[in-house]
Amino acid sequence: EPEVTQTPSHQVTQMGQEVILRCVPISNHLYFYWYRQILGQKVEFLVSFYNNEISEKSEIFDDQFSVERPDGSNFTLKIRSTKLEDSAMYFCASSPNHGGMGNTIYFGEGSWLTVV
Amino acid sequence: DQQVKQNSPSLSVQEGRISILNCDYTNSMFDYFLWYKKYPAEGPTFLISISSIKDKNEDGRFTVFLNKSAKHLSLHIVPSQPGDSAVYFCAASADRGSTLGRLYFGRGTQLTVWP
Repeated sequence: EPEVTQTPSHQVTQMGQEVILRCVPISNHLYFYWYRQILGQKVEFLVSFYNNEISEKSEIFDDQFSVERPDGSNFTLKIRSTKLEDSAMYFCASSPNHGGMGNTIYFGEGSWLTVV
Repeated sequence: DQQVKQNSPSLSVQEGRISILNCDYTNSMFDYFLWYKKYPAEGPTFLISISSIKDKNEDGRFTVFLNKSAKHLSLHIVPSQPGDSAVYFCAASADRGSTLGRLYFGRGTQLTVWP
């Protein structure tokens, strides 16, 4: 069964460093997302991406975050200057279309980011 | 952001019995609801969904019920199996305007099914 794959599974970085989290969405999907879950808290929406541009972003997705689809298969989340509070599990997700009624969003296994 | 609430952090059920997981929401714009299951160190796995035009959707052992007037949905698992032990997340989406696929999640309910 096709799945969303994410790398790395776990990354430890120093505060202030740049981090890139990578994702390969399911191949025929058109919509891509990043969510995150801080330990003990809810899964929170960060950003959605369609047709090579951001469709929507949450208040969490500030100027230190960016997303890119550099080629036909990868979808990346960059955090420019990491802060301690960025420590979380980051989930990439994809959907065949806009993920609304009648659709499903499929999640990857997550990338655990620890900022020290 | 408390738009989706799962007020029971945990539920313990004996194998073979029914598990009922509850979810409440506050945003009347939500019109599509999903349940996800999550094991530790894994991503959420889609289980079942329901749109606001229905009040019930069934898939094997899993049934989701939606009560729009009460802004309440529930997931029934019958019969419960030990492999069902996981965290269950309720999620909601408003398929209108520019909210393309943004899911609002509850905090999750840890289900434990014991033999």
